[in-house]
Amino acid sequence: DTGVSQDPRHKITKRGQNVTFRCDPISEHNRLYWYRQTLGQGPEFLTYFQNEAQLEKSRLLSDRFSAERPKGSFSTLEIQRTEQGDSAMYLCASSVGDISRNEQFFGPGTRLTVL
Amino acid sequence: GQNIDQPTEMTATEGAIVQINCTYQTSGFNGLFWYQQHAGEAPTFLSYNVLDGLEEKGRFSSFLSRSKGYSYLLLKELQMKDSASYLCAVRDEAGGSYIPTFGRGTSLIVHP
Repeated sequence: DTGVSQDPRHKITKRGQNVTFRCDPISEHNRLYWYRQTLGQGPEFLTYFQNEAQLEKSRLLSDRFSAERPKGSFSTLEIQRTEQGDSAMYLCASSVGDISRNEQFFGPGTRLTVL
Repeated sequence: GQNIDQPTEMTATEGAIVQINCTYQTSGFNGLFWYQQHAGEAPTFLSYNVLDGLEEKGRFSSFLSRSKGYSYLLLKELQMKDSASYLCAVRDEAGGSYIPTFGRGTSLIVHP
């Protein structure tokens, strides 16, 4: 499978715990995006990397959220001190080529449930 | 923000044609995307419009009018597998961002 992969697919945690998700983009894609999606809503942008550089970060992103892409390949998203409101599907996407066209390829997502 | 507006839900009959509308407000419009998302799955890219007019791709077509802040996705010869959420996403570079903002999506139900 040469698509975007995410791990784990499901995560259940207790409020206050830290969680980390991983995303492996399509191998030649230099751009990587994280989104959050709740039921009945479209994906909400969290952050964006070009290679290893984090170029954009949503103003809505709490300081409990941090993302890295240390070698410009896979990325991790960490949520510290989770809250029930963090329960959502976390989607990763990657793209390559002309940024203006920006066709993004999405992974299957990690569903987070905070109890 | 982009103030993207789409109908929440639509129903249509197998074999028919359906048009899903999307209106938006931007200061620096630079592209509109349509994605399809089946329940429990990731969004998949359908189309991209940056100039006015109609882009056709098989059974799916997407139209854009920049002056009206309006787009539609046209689905012909509907099939049951077309039941999904259809997401309109708009890029507004006025704030210096290249990242499109997604609307809430339109849930399309195709019945026999």
